[in-house]
Amino acid sequence: NAGVTQTPKFQVLKTGQSMTLQCAQDMNHNSMYWYRQDPGMGLRLIYYSASEGTTDKGEVPNGYNVSRLNKREFSLRLESAAPSQTSVYFCASSVGTGELFFGEGSRLTVL
Amino acid sequence: QQPVQSPQAVILREGEDAVINCSSSKALYSVHWYRQKHGEAPVFLMILLKGGEQKGHEKISASFNEKKQQSSLYLTASQLSYSGTYFCGTANNTDKLIFGTGTRLQVFP
Repeated sequence: NAGVTQTPKFQVLKTGQSMTLQCAQDMNHNSMYWYRQDPGMGLRLIYYSASEGTTDKGEVPNGYNVSRLNKREFSLRLESAAPSQTSVYFCASSVGTGELFFGEGSRLTVL
Repeated sequence: QQPVQSPQAVILREGEDAVINCSSSKALYSVHWYRQKHGEAPVFLMILLKGGEQKGHEKISASFNEKKQQSSLYLTASQLSYSGTYFCGTANNTDKLIFGTGTRLQVFP
């Protein structure tokens, strides 16, 4: 059972480079999320998708874009990475307001 | 707006009890509780829904006061495996789950 799969698990970027974090779930969940986690800040919601084709901003959306192309996949794109985006990124999925299932996380460092 | 958790940190001996509180300035539809071990993803513990429906996990329980927009997580007879950071997540009726800043719990033998 794969659950929620995130790629890549580790990435180092230079300031100004772009990249996409991929997330896929095989549980037929309608809701998907992207969070970032920084020391002392907890988990902060970047973007949320309630269903295929819909997305909504979370607490910290600036500098990010997302795509929900189908029910399984929800990608997060950094168009021009900045050092402030150094963080651990978690993708999660759920059925409506139910339990969130998290991926293992993607550790991003921006130099 | 992030829910506020208290205390920020708790240190316990095995067998002791602890309470972690979570409060929001907004009306709540549901409250989630998760535990995260260092270097791992958060793991679901419990969800409490408006109207009193509650689900549990292991020996940990929780309450949800809708009028005060508060929830409390009760850990009784703590075990070493309870160590970690606990997060509450709150949602109104839009399904967006917003997490608090966490409470770090350390249990010693």
